[in-house]
Amino acid sequence: GAGVSQTPSNKVTEKGKYVELRCDPISGHTALYWYRQSLGQGPEFLIYFQGTGAADDSGLPNDRFFAVRPEGSVSTLKIQRTERGDSAVYLCASSLTSADTQYFGPGTRLTVL
Amino acid sequence: EDKVVQSPLSLVVHEGDTVTLNCSYEVTNFRSLLWYKQEKKAPTFLFMLTSSGIEKKSGRLSSILDKKELSSILNITATQTGDSAIYLCVGGGSQGNLIFGKGTKLSVKP
Repeated sequence: GAGVSQTPSNKVTEKGKYVELRCDPISGHTALYWYRQSLGQGPEFLIYFQGTGAADDSGLPNDRFFAVRPEGSVSTLKIQRTERGDSAVYLCASSLTSADTQYFGPGTRLTVL
Repeated sequence: EDKVVQSPLSLVVHEGDTVTLNCSYEVTNFRSLLWYKQEKKAPTFLFMLTSSGIEKKSGRLSSILDKKELSSILNITATQTGDSAIYLCVGGGSQGNLIFGKGTKLSVKP
């Protein structure tokens, strides 16, 4: 594929609702990463997949956050019972392997009202 | 605790000026240092540095890593308004983990 794509580009939801954010990595990239970027901050690591498995989920802030990558390609970040503090840009990146440069998608801007 | 610190946090220059952005890092099992340019939402890749003292160059941008000092600099010569962005320095560990700095916000005035 041309690059990492993320959908939707913008999502507005109400406090307490459930949201899903999708990431399509570059074709053939085995590693996939999710980050969250709040205003004025650098991206904060959430979770990293190697293939289908979560190799490192230490950045997920709490159990409301969950991510899957069932076939080792597309990944979905799921947030339950959203809170206003979850508002941020959620960035996805992929790399050929974990040793290679990560390429970022355009991000999803999540706003929780 | 792993960390990446960038300075300055923001910088305003005029077109044609040369700027130097600084980055220092403390990363367990350090493997590489990366620079990204962030406009709007997503960062775009600029450089990956793994060896100390070897300058990488791309047009008006260049970067070098100093493993002894645990630091890197990003230079931009003859700045243009299109260089206005946030420049992110990222430390990479051997496990694939990345530690991001907060970025330097560069504003280039015409």
